Amino acid sequence: DIQMTQSPSSVSASVGDRVTITCRASQGISSWLAWYQQKPGKAPKLLIYAASSLQSGVPSRFSGSGSGTDFTLTISSLQPEDFATYYCQQANSFPPTFGPGTKVDIK
Amino acid sequence: QVQLQESGPGLVKPSETLSLTCTVSGYSISSGYYWGWIRQPPGKGLEWIGSIYHSGSTYYNPSLKSRVTISVDTSKNQFSLKLSSVTAADTAVYYCARVSEVRGVIAHYFDYWGQGTLVTVSS
Repeated sequence: DIQMTQSPSSVSASVGDRVTITCRASQGISSWLAWYQQKPGKAPKLLIYAASSLQSGVPSRFSGSGSGTDFTLTISSLQPEDFATYYCQQANSFPPTFGPGTKVDIK
Repeated sequence: QVQLQESGPGLVKPSETLSLTCTVSGYSISSGYYWGWIRQPPGKGLEWIGSIYHSGSTYYNPSLKSRVTISVDTSKNQFSLKLSSVTAADTAVYYCARVSEVRGVIAHYFDYWGQGTLVTVSS
């Protein structure tokens, strides 16, 4: 299985801050990467797919980049509704695997 | 708007079989897409369990394959999960989700999710 790691595991930030989360795959996955946002008690929500494509309806302050093994999710100006846990997920090979998550909380 | 809803027992005894159903509305399963199950133990990360096409074609996580069966009932617009010989380690929120397609190619991202259902394994 492809192992996914994320850093940091948690980040404290303020409204308006730029936040960057990193995801690394244990082997190359081309651009087969997604990012999800999950709020407590809710299902994950797809934000980014194919490493950099914004899912319909997702605000443009979210962006993704990277290919191969290293990827980033950037929130350009953090909003109150963005405090959540973010997961990356590879779709390059079976089984699809998720990173351990990065919690973004209020500073 | 595609909507998914999980249903099934919230409590299962150890060694028994966990059974869940996902009812899809707003889209006919017969029209296409793969449909999947993902779980999340309390306070932990996400684990893909498996996916199924309307034809019955399946993919399973090798770590669970010996215990998992996913089936589809297109007449009811539902797909189901059975997980046998459960233990406390199978306690989790179980989600059903739609597997996305990118430019017509199946891509195992999950674009629509159910709200999730907590299944506890305990005697």
